[in-house]
Amino acid sequence: GDSVTQMEGPVTLSEEAFLTINCTYTATGYPSLFWYVQYPGEGLQLLLKATKADDKGSNKGFEATYRKETTSFHLEKGSVQVSDSAVYFCALSDLPGANNLFFGTGTRLTVIP
Amino acid sequence: SQTIHQWPATLVQPVGSPLSLECTVEGTSNPNLYWYRQAAGRGLQLLFYSVGIGQISSEVPQNLSASRPQDRQFILSSKKLLLSDSGFYLCAWSLKGGPGELFFGEGSRLTVL
Repeated sequence: GDSVTQMEGPVTLSEEAFLTINCTYTATGYPSLFWYVQYPGEGLQLLLKATKADDKGSNKGFEATYRKETTSFHLEKGSVQVSDSAVYFCALSDLPGANNLFFGTGTRLTVIP
Repeated sequence: SQTIHQWPATLVQPVGSPLSLECTVEGTSNPNLYWYRQAAGRGLQLLFYSVGIGQISSEVPQNLSASRPQDRQFILSSKKLLLSDSGFYLCAWSLKGGPGELFFGEGSRLTVL
């Protein structure tokens, strides 16, 4: 079945450091891929998405490229800020259907000044 | 624009007491609706989803139930809470044909003592 595996946290970085959070997936078809972010005490919100191979999603300085050959969708940011501290979830949606969205377990990022 | 609200934001309940969490969506019609639970240190678990009024699908066996009495209203209930029901509950909606992108509420933190 479909699944998402993302890098275990927690991740602690200094401000302005480079961020990579790895995400790989298993899917039967051609999924859409997402990164969601959850700031402390809040619900999740969509950070970026990509719907087909080689697409690059980007938002707020974050980016991720849909790599079909390596079944990956790694999240990157060149220079993190304290305000980026949050939990990041990789997710995929494959077949149509209300229950076909699969989340990774989340990676907690803490950025220290 | 579409909005989603859920309440209460925080709830402390004794074991064996009932539960009712409510979620409403505005600005869209006939959405798919979802209840997720996020236990401490764990990822997201889909509890229920609904594709229409009165149509509820359960993903995991549990002592919780869900109802959709109106098109944009989704209620999570329990007759008798267990300690293991503690967690962060998230309501979400998506467009039909999805789920694709999910739009989440602010979350409800439940502590069962």
